[in-house]
Amino acid sequence: DQQVKQNSPSLSVQEGRISILNCDYTNSMFDYFLWYKKYPAEGPTFLISISSIKDKNEDGRFTVFLNKSAKHLSLHIVPSQPGDSAVYFCAASFTGGFKTIFGAGTRLFVKA
Amino acid sequence: DVKVTQSSRYLVKRTGEKVFLECVQDMDHENMFWYRQDPGLGLRLIYFSYDVKMKEKGDIPEGYSVSREKKERFSLILESASTNQTSMYLCASTRRGYEQYFGPGTRLTVT
Repeated sequence: DQQVKQNSPSLSVQEGRISILNCDYTNSMFDYFLWYKKYPAEGPTFLISISSIKDKNEDGRFTVFLNKSAKHLSLHIVPSQPGDSAVYFCAASFTGGFKTIFGAGTRLFVKA
Repeated sequence: DVKVTQSSRYLVKRTGEKVFLECVQDMDHENMFWYRQDPGLGLRLIYFSYDVKMKEKGDIPEGYSVSREKKERFSLILESASTNQTSMYLCASTRRGYEQYFGPGTRLTVT
């Protein structure tokens, strides 16, 4: 039973355009959501997060949107750059962060 | 910068061998985690530790054990390696509990 789902295994976007990565979750008890980025042969690195009491968080080119009623999370990257090509993991945590559930990941390709 | 290091990048072991994977973090973090990453399944939590000598099972602890004798070091042990434990193993640490810092991973192949 996957509590955090990333239904698109891959996404291809032209450089300069917007990349939108989506994530759905099933457990309404999650109170914190995160996005991690992973390059080949490296561990995931934290990208951006959002608390369940907010609906938007922005950091430079990266914006995360949270729709609690739909149990849906999205990451927007504007403008997309070739260096953004990586696997992106959506993650959801319960209070305290000890238990974090990760999605299967979406591989983003940004074409020059 | 937080640094999380793992003892090996690549490891090949035989079925039935005892395997030790070591993880060290240099930021005095209380919490440490072991995950495995498999295609289509994302990262799944094996065990975590919130203090020295303390451990909690994650979602898939079967076939694994852990040891945390020092705050900076968290070891994952495969008592008797099996082919279905072939995977990428990732260690992580955190202080606050939300944003985790990951090591580079160990790709373990069990033949």
